[in-house]
Amino acid sequence: GEDVEQSLFLSVREGDSSVINCTYTDSSSTYLYWYKQEPGAGLQLLTYIFSNMDMKQDQRLTVLLNKKDKHLSLRIADTQTGDSAIYFCAEVLTGGGNKLTFGTGTQLKVEL
Amino acid sequence: GAVVSQHPSRVICKSGTSVKIECRSLDFQATTMFWYRQFPKKSLMLMATSNEGSKATYEQGVEKDKFLINHASLTLSTLTVTSAHPEDSSFYICSASTTIAGDGETQYFGPGTRLLVL
Repeated sequence: GEDVEQSLFLSVREGDSSVINCTYTDSSSTYLYWYKQEPGAGLQLLTYIFSNMDMKQDQRLTVLLNKKDKHLSLRIADTQTGDSAIYFCAEVLTGGGNKLTFGTGTQLKVEL
Repeated sequence: GAVVSQHPSRVICKSGTSVKIECRSLDFQATTMFWYRQFPKKSLMLMATSNEGSKATYEQGVEKDKFLINHASLTLSTLTVTSAHPEDSSFYICSASTTIAGDGETQYFGPGTRLLVL
């Protein structure tokens, strides 16, 4: 199956760290992605990780991948109000071409 | 680089009419373009995959005669919603894919088109 699950909502205070979680069921992922969607807009690629990596850091963003547990997370350090958006994880499967399967999305709200 | 545009950004039409949405890769040639549909507060649902010069591949449950896709060049794909009905109202997003050497394949998304059928 290709179910990709995320918690629906996360609220954090400005300056705190945010951790958005994603679980997937298909172990044949090659790449896993994090996208950000602001209201009424398309998706912005934030970062991605190859399936043979455990961690990737890119400025305020840290991606952790636990292949054994099929768990992916995105940590945003020093969260700002501009980070408020919906965050989608997505995977590309081995042999799936470059067809993306998206998670259900997590709405991140950053409060002052 | 890697900018994808969509036109129009928003369209309102009467029930029974057809609507065409364009997706363009502005500064790169896309091997493949994808069309997604997104319902309010929901994830993206892949509708179809199109490669330049060939017929689109539709996902299960998507009517190919209802959602016509034309991929005339490496920088342009169009989605035509034929005989639109209120249930076709949605946010339609396209993406264009290119292979970046060493980084795997990445899709670049357009800003989306909001369709409202009255």
